[in-house]
Amino acid sequence: SQQGEEDPQALSIQEGENATMNCSYKTSINNLQWYRQNSGRGLVHLILIRSNEREKHSGRLRVTLDTSKKSSSLLITASRAADTASYFCATDGAADNYGQNFVFGPGTRLSVLP
Amino acid sequence: NAGVTQTPKFQVLKTGQSMTLQCAQDMNHEYMSWYRQDPGMGLRLIHYSVGAGITDQGEVPNGYNVSRSTTEDFPLRLLSAAPSQTSVYFCASSYWPRGSDEQYFGPGTRLTVT
Repeated sequence: SQQGEEDPQALSIQEGENATMNCSYKTSINNLQWYRQNSGRGLVHLILIRSNEREKHSGRLRVTLDTSKKSSSLLITASRAADTASYFCATDGAADNYGQNFVFGPGTRLSVLP
Repeated sequence: NAGVTQTPKFQVLKTGQSMTLQCAQDMNHEYMSWYRQDPGMGLRLIHYSVGAGITDQGEVPNGYNVSRSTTEDFPLRLLSAAPSQTSVYFCASSYWPRGSDEQYFGPGTRLTVT
């Protein structure tokens, strides 16, 4: 069963706008990661946030984590056409020693229109 | 560094044929994984390895075998291809366990079984 579920499934915005994607999960985690996948390519790591962290930034990306609500959000500010991609969250399990419970969600497909 | 490489990029098999998907990394990573990605779904873990000589099953291991004789290589074998194995296959590696570290992904192998 999938641990993380992204919302919305698809999102279209205009260049320059902000994009927000959400990820909800079911059980306690150690870490949550966000990845990007351009069409026909492999996934690229964006950010890892640990369960004791509430917010992390990387360039135009801002990730928040609310462990009480079991949810995370990815905010992309001032979006560009090059941000068009699918975005996935991935979570591990709290008792996960070897990454055996590391699971990806189905993803959010973001389209940034020029 | 070449990162994670996968061969072939594309492959068409007939039902019942066997083949090996190659994966190699030059980052001295202990942890390697094989995923499959089907339309509208996230990545599902097939098999993973925590070091040379050590492999374990993931979420969808049936019909696939792996071995890890060296740190660098982690081939995936399809024993008797079935149409249900039509998918895009990704290999990934990380220094620490998947849940606690950035994973580096290969470009993928697009497999069609007729």
